[in-house]
Parts: sequence; structure tokens; C-alpha cells
Amino acid sequence: DAEITQSPRHKITETGRQVTLACHQTWNHNNMFWYRQDLGHGLRLIHYSYGVHDTNKGEVSDGYSVSRSNTEDLPLTLESAASSQTSVYFCASSVMVTGELFFGEGSRLTVL
Amino acid sequence: QKEVEQNSGPLSVPEGAIASLNCTYSDRVSQSFFWYRQYSGKSPELIMSIYSNGDKEDGRFTAQLNKASQYVSLLIRDSQPSDSATYLCAVFAGGTSYGKLTFGQGTILTVHP
Repeated sequence: DAEITQSPRHKITETGRQVTLACHQTWNHNNMFWYRQDLGHGLRLIHYSYGVHDTNKGEVSDGYSVSRSNTEDLPLTLESAASSQTSVYFCASSVMVTGELFFGEGSRLTVL
Repeated sequence: QKEVEQNSGPLSVPEGAIASLNCTYSDRVSQSFFWYRQYSGKSPELIMSIYSNGDKEDGRFTAQLNKASQYVSLLIRDSQPSDSATYLCAVFAGGTSYGKLTFGQGTILTVHP
């Protein structure tokens, strides 16, 4: 079955370290998204991509970067982790820009 | 004003009752509207989508959309304990926000036996 997987599922890191969260989907969806979820804020969009070599900033993109070198993967990089980036991160993909999002299982990141 | 706002929770209803979840949005050119359910510790899953004014029914779930009032709701009939979850309203906007699905903060629903 096609799916979307995230790794690692749990990570603890220190302030200032670079962290990369992986996202891999086997649906061949062009559209991929990264969200973070925090209590009281719901899901907030970090970055998104409509296809290979396309990336766009979301509402909370500062301190994060993405690259899209193939259809299947959209890794999210925290260049210098900060405690404010402690959160649960969800990757998602969709067939249509206006369509249903399929979410990965989430990655819980703790920055100490 | 937040782009997508949901009624403050948590919402608690007895088993068998109707649960009503509400959502307002600020962008008048919004095009698509979704309700996601998220169980504790899990990822969101789509339960309803609605694109035009009126009601859309799917089993025990009914989504209602009123674009003039910029309002979308989700009714859950015959609520079951298994419906206990956080419900997220999501709006796909147009205009300068095209390409972004914006979520509300979520409403926690508890259905007690």
C-alpha cells in the first residue's frame, strides 16, 4: 500500500544543532507539506512544495528549510535548533492542490 | 483575527446526542473546506469535505457550509465514545493565500457513556 512515512518519530536534540526530519511518500503526489502542531495553535504550515525543485514558505518558516530533489521526499531541516521549535511535526501530501491531505504519523522533536 | 477559528472547547456530549462543531473563516474567496479528526497521539485524518453552500451528509456526519456568513459546521449524530477526538477545521483559501490549507486550532470532543 502507498503511504507516507516520517523519521525519526522521536528526537531529542540540543540548542544550536542542525536537525533534519525526513518525509517519504510512495503515492507519487506532487504536493507535499510540512506542518507543526502546538497546543493552542493547531496545525501551522511551515513549508510546502508543488513539485520537484519547487518550495514555498508557509506562515512559520523562519528557522526552517526544505528541498525537493525528487517526487517522493521533502526533508525538513532546522539549521540551528531552538527551544521554540520543540513541537510535533507532520508531513503531508496531496494529489490536487485543493484536495485531501494525507498525513504521516508525525515526528516529535524536543530541543533542550 | 485568526484566519480560521473554531468554537472553544472542550465539548462534552452524552452518548447518542448530537455534537455540533463550528468554524468561521476570514477569507471570502475561500474555496474548499475540510473537517479532520485527530485521535490523541495520532495524525489527522479527513472525515468530510465540502465545496458548495448547503449540507453534505455522510453516515452520521453532516457538514454545513454558508459562504455568505463565512461559516462551516460539522454535526455528528448519535455520538459514540469512539468519536472522542480533536476535530480540526481546515480551509483552502484563494487570492494571496492560494495553495495553503489553513487549520483552526481544533475542538476537543468528549463523548461520555
